[in-house]
Amino acid sequence: EPEVTQTPSHQVTQMGQEVILRCVPISNHLYFYWYRQILGQKVEFLVSFYNNEISEKSEIFDDQFSVERPDGSNFTLKIRSTKLEDSAMYFCASSEFAGLSYEQYFGPGTRLTVT
Amino acid sequence: EDKVVQSPLSLVVHEGDTVTLNCSYEVTNFRSLLWYKQEKKAPTFLFMLTSSGIEKKSGRLSSILDKKELFSILNITATQTGDSAIYLCAVESKGSGDKLTFGTGTRLAVRP
Repeated sequence: EPEVTQTPSHQVTQMGQEVILRCVPISNHLYFYWYRQILGQKVEFLVSFYNNEISEKSEIFDDQFSVERPDGSNFTLKIRSTKLEDSAMYFCASSEFAGLSYEQYFGPGTRLTVT
Repeated sequence: EDKVVQSPLSLVVHEGDTVTLNCSYEVTNFRSLLWYKQEKKAPTFLFMLTSSGIEKKSGRLSSILDKKELFSILNITATQTGDSAIYLCAVESKGSGDKLTFGTGTRLAVRP
C-alpha cells in the first residue's frame, strides 16, 4: 500500500543551525502539507502546498521556514536558524485532491531535537 | 479561530468494553471531520465524515457526525488491547489550503 515516507526519523541539531526535513508523498497525490506536534501538545498545521506554491500557512510558519518541491518526488521543509522551541515531531502529509474532501495521509514523522 | 475540543482527555477500560469518544468543533467554513488513530508516531486515517446522520463503520469502529450540534462521536465496541492509542479528531476547513485543525486527542488505554 502506498505511503508517505519521511527522512530522517530523528534529527538532532544545535540552535542556530539550518535543518532540512524530507518527505516523499504518495506518488499520485497533488497536495502536500507539513504539521508539527510539540511533545504533549496538539498536532498543528504549518503549511499547505500545491502546484509549486504555498496555498496557506499558519502563524507558526514565519520567515525561518520554507518549503520546496525540488524534484518530482521530494517535498522538503527547511528551518533556517533553529530555535529550542522548534523541537517537535514534524509530520508531512499528502492528499490526492483538495476541495472535495480527500483525506490526508501522514508520514511517520521526523523528531527534531534542537539543543 | 477554528477550534476542536475532544473529551474525555483520557480513558481506561477493560477488554470487551465499549467506548464513546467525543469531538465538538467550531469552524468558520466546515468541509469535513476526520478521525485518526495515533499509536507511536504518525496519525493513521480512520474516517472522514461530511454529512450529518450517516454512520461510517469499519469493523468494531463507527463514527457519526451532527452538523447542527457541531459534534461527532467515535464508538469502539468490544475493545482490544490493540485499540490502545490516542484518537485524534480533526476538522478540515474550506479555503485555499484545506488545512486540518486538530483536537488534543483522547488517550485510550485498554487493559487485558
